[in-house]
Amino acid sequence: GQNIDQPTEMTATEGAIVQINCTYQTSGFNGLFWYQQHAGEAPTFLSYNVLDGLEEKGRFSSFLSRSKGYSYLLLKELQMKDSASYLCAVRDSNYQLIWGAGTKLIIKP
Amino acid sequence: GAVVSQHPSRVICKSGTSVKIECRSLDFQATTMFWYRQFPKQSLMLMATSNEGSKATYEQGVEKDKFLINHASLTLSTLTVTSAHPEDSSFYICSAQEGEDGNQPQHFGDGTRLSIL
Repeated sequence: GQNIDQPTEMTATEGAIVQINCTYQTSGFNGLFWYQQHAGEAPTFLSYNVLDGLEEKGRFSSFLSRSKGYSYLLLKELQMKDSASYLCAVRDSNYQLIWGAGTKLIIKP
Repeated sequence: GAVVSQHPSRVICKSGTSVKIECRSLDFQATTMFWYRQFPKQSLMLMATSNEGSKATYEQGVEKDKFLINHASLTLSTLTVTSAHPEDSSFYICSAQEGEDGNQPQHFGDGTRLSIL
């Protein structure tokens, strides 16, 4: 079966760095997406990786290793507004998006 | 760019009512639109994939006659929850994908919170 694993919850301190991991087993691979979802709101697109390596976008970076079926989202200089759920999603060989359950990130002052 | 508008944002209605939710891509043409449902503290659950001009593809366990989807144009898809019951109360979210390029992300509407009394 297809599976996306990410931690259920993480806690970090304002101003610090946090890394949210995602491992996947899917039938084929056509890209990995990270989304941010604040409570009661719809997800918003953060990043896309299809080749191995690091993609940087301001305070957020996303890394992919296809051979390991592994990605992480790195958030730097954490702000209180970064408190949200972070969803990892993989597009399989049929171009279907397989969603992880999300990681709830709690930022403490 | 890539704005998706979903309306209404919140619906409260009596059991047995049918509710229609609209999803529009405002500044791009969406070949494919997706409808999700999300229960509190759970992940997104894909209900159906809709392609313009053709019948929607429903995920296993989703009743086609209960959740009617129409994708009449490249910028509009609608979901109608027919004869809604309290167990249909949920957060419904649509998303739209521009073109057929696998590199394109899904862009989400703001969601519709449906409460059936």
